[in-house]
Amino acid sequence: GAGVSQTPSNKVTEKGKYVELRCDPISGHTALYWYRQSLGQGPEFLIYFQGTGAADDSGLPNDRFFAVRPEGSVSTLKIQRTERGDSAVYLCASSLKGSGGPYNEQFFGPGTRLTVL
Amino acid sequence: GQQLNQSPQSMFIQEGEDVSMNCTSSSIFNTWLWYKQDPGEGPVLLIALYKAGELTSNGRLTAQFGITRKDSFLNISASIPSDVGIYFCAGSGANSKLTFGKGITLSVRP
Repeated sequence: GAGVSQTPSNKVTEKGKYVELRCDPISGHTALYWYRQSLGQGPEFLIYFQGTGAADDSGLPNDRFFAVRPEGSVSTLKIQRTERGDSAVYLCASSLKGSGGPYNEQFFGPGTRLTVL
Repeated sequence: GQQLNQSPQSMFIQEGEDVSMNCTSSSIFNTWLWYKQDPGEGPVLLIALYKAGELTSNGRLTAQFGITRKDSFLNISASIPSDVGIYFCAGSGANSKLTFGKGITLSVRP
């Protein structure tokens, strides 16, 4: 079946602008995760949804970052007043459930490369 | 933020050789995962480990979950050119979020 999809694949914006990044998880996966990957680094956790609710948002760097998942499927990561330091690849992953063990095997999308000029 | 330790940063091997990668942490994890990432793509799950001491294989790949729950290794046997890429280890504790290492870039000489 279809994997995790993310749009757009690339986004170039100017400092101070607002951006939205979209994630479509694997059908039937209740848990959805956002990570951010800087060049030469591993992905870093931002936020995790179980269903419609944010179960853990401890990785969001500041209040300019916000994410929603209103119907428990598609999620949107929103970044206000973008800064050059926000430039990175934003990865989305989904898993069958958010609990431990095999149900937490996370499958990643291709990412959105955000560049803030 | 916290990251797992992977070293060296890069490895260069000859096609056909075996290679082993290690990952260590100062924290205990309940689950260890190994991912491979190609340029411009997201990480692809290779192997998942759920119990301390567990040894799991997936084709030419073998991975083990350390007894102390603070380390894991990945072995690739009889390497081929398409094994080129960045290999990440990741762990999760009581919560679901993954903590990743910085990755090891593997190059395979034909």
